[in-house]
Amino acid sequence: EDQVTQSPEALRLQEGESSSLNCSYTVSGLRGLFWYRQDPGKGPEFLFTLYSAGEEKEKERLKATLTKKESFLHITAPKPEDSATYLCAVQAGNTGKLIFGQGTTLQVKP
Amino acid sequence: DAGITQSPRYKITETGRQVTLMCHQTWSHSYMFWYRQDLGHGLRLIYYSAAADITDKGEVPDGYVVSRSKTENFPLTLESATRSQTSVYFCASSEIDRDVSPLHFGNGTRLTVT
Repeated sequence: EDQVTQSPEALRLQEGESSSLNCSYTVSGLRGLFWYRQDPGKGPEFLFTLYSAGEEKEKERLKATLTKKESFLHITAPKPEDSATYLCAVQAGNTGKLIFGQGTTLQVKP
Repeated sequence: DAGITQSPRYKITETGRQVTLMCHQTWSHSYMFWYRQDLGHGLRLIYYSAAADITDKGEVPDGYVVSRSKTENFPLTLESATRSQTSVYFCASSEIDRDVSPLHFGNGTRLTVT
């Protein structure tokens, strides 16, 4: 069964304190792995797509990496505005369906 | 503005009533999806549609009905609402001409069934 597990469930950081979020997956025939950001009361906002092991993508203070079993979202020198829930999802078939992890809620304190 | 619009944003209904959640997209994306988001379960797929008049079940379809007569609209109907259907519902869409493409989400409908 295709499955996505994110850890930790919650993470508290001081402003400027770098860290990483983990997304482990088991899926038959990975087509793509996606990272989303979700703010309270809003829908998930697309951040990155990773297609194959070894690939990396960057956006401002965020960098996503992918191996054959997991993905990491590295946050460098975070700011309070980076506080949000970060969701990981995988696409296994060609129907466009995504399977989501339960998310990591990040709080960055000034 | 282009994007996905969901309505209503908030809805309170009683057990046993029928309720329809609306979703409209302006991108002309072929694929559309309905997810529900609950604490402890994350986002779970209810139904999806590859094109007008083509729909298929997701992970948790029981108690829900969808239709797609026009590409831009994908309403979700709860035929007889139950308390277990209290949730936040998200509609999403994606492009058809790319094998792997991200979903773009609306801002959700928070449904409470009393």
